[in-house]
Amino acid sequence: DTGVSQDPRHKITKRGQNVTFRCDPISEHNRLYWYRQTLGQGPEFLTYFQNEAQLEKSRLLSDRFSAERPKGSFSTLEIQRTEQGDSAMYLCASSLVGGAENEQFFGPGTRLTVL
Amino acid sequence: GENVEQHPSTLSVQEGDSAVIKCTYSDSASNYFPWYKQELGKRPQLIIDIRSNVGEKKDQRIAVTLNKTAKHFSLHITETQPEDSAVYFCAANRGSTLGRLYFGRGTQLTVWP
Repeated sequence: DTGVSQDPRHKITKRGQNVTFRCDPISEHNRLYWYRQTLGQGPEFLTYFQNEAQLEKSRLLSDRFSAERPKGSFSTLEIQRTEQGDSAMYLCASSLVGGAENEQFFGPGTRLTVL
Repeated sequence: GENVEQHPSTLSVQEGDSAVIKCTYSDSASNYFPWYKQELGKRPQLIIDIRSNVGEKKDQRIAVTLNKTAKHFSLHITETQPEDSAVYFCAANRGSTLGRLYFGRGTQLTVWP
């Protein structure tokens, strides 16, 4: 499968625990995005990287959230001290800037449930 | 920042009828407008997009129109089929200048056989 992949697909955790998600973009894509989607809503932007550089962070991304893309390939999103309000689908997307098109391709998401 | 509004939130049509979903945006600098289809439990999938240098784009049964002056764009699905049933999201951004997509809240389309 050459599309965007995410791991794990589902995560159940207790309030206060830390969780980490991984995203592997399409191999030649230089931009990687994280979005959060709650039931009945469209995806909301969290942050994005161009290569290794984190270019923008949403105000939604509190101090408990951190994202990295150390080698410009895969990315991780960590949530510390999880809260019930963090329960959502976390979507990763990638795109190729400078190519003929600029479409963002989404991964299957990681569904987080905080008990 | 950009604000994308989408209507209606739900839409039910009979198989074979047409469906139209409308979106408005606020940022006149937005120049890229994709539409995503999301089936239950699946990832959003790009079905069509349009850039601000054209007013209409078609791909088989789906088409998108853009009115830059009025800042609105619409998705048109003709000859709907039950497999078109899904949530459809419109989005907007400034293309490669600003990476993030701003999404509408989605339209649940149900096509009855």
